[in-house]
Amino acid sequence: DIQMTQSPSLLSASVGDRVTLSCKASQNIYKYLNWYQQKLGEAPKLLIYYTNSLQTGIPSRFSGSGSGTDYTLTISSLQPEDVATYFCQQYNSWPLTFGSGTKLEIK
Amino acid sequence: EVQLVESGGGLVQPGRSMKLSCAASGFTFSNYGMAWVRQAPKKGLEWVAYISYDGGSTYYRDPVKGRFTISRDNAKSTLYLQMDSLRSEDTATYYCTTLTGPYWYFDFWGPGTMVTVSS
Repeated sequence: DIQMTQSPSLLSASVGDRVTLSCKASQNIYKYLNWYQQKLGEAPKLLIYYTNSLQTGIPSRFSGSGSGTDYTLTISSLQPEDVATYFCQQYNSWPLTFGSGTKLEIK
Repeated sequence: EVQLVESGGGLVQPGRSMKLSCAASGFTFSNYGMAWVRQAPKKGLEWVAYISYDGGSTYYRDPVKGRFTISRDNAKSTLYLQMDSLRSEDTATYYCTTLTGPYWYFDFWGPGTMVTVSS
């Protein structure tokens, strides 16, 4: 199975900050990487697919990048409504696997 | 509006069975692959099972192979998960989701149903 490691596990930042979340795969996943946002008590929501494609309706302050084993989710200007846990997910091979998540808080 | 609504969760003893259902509406169910994803309390997400749009292909993660069975009824726009020989480690919120290539993302999600395996 491909292991997905996210860092940091907890991130505190101020409103307006540029925030970067990391996701590292245990092997090359050829950009087959999706990102989700999960707010407290809610189901996850798809933010970005295939590393850098923004899902319909997602604000443009969210962006993704990366290749090989290393991937990044960036929020260009943190907003209060971005408080959530963020998960990456690889689909290079079965079983589909998620990272353990980064919890994002407002400082 | 796309809606997925899970049902059938609750408290069950170890070794017993439980069947989850997911009623879909607002989209053409028979065109979409579907999956179950679970989340143990205060833990991360874990893909459990997948079924293709026509039911012809199914995949499972190893710990549930031989114990869980995913199925669908396209005429009723309903997805199922039959869970047998339940273990305490199966305790989680179970989400019904759409899952279709080529990008294999979990697009639409239900609100989830909680399954607690305990004596």
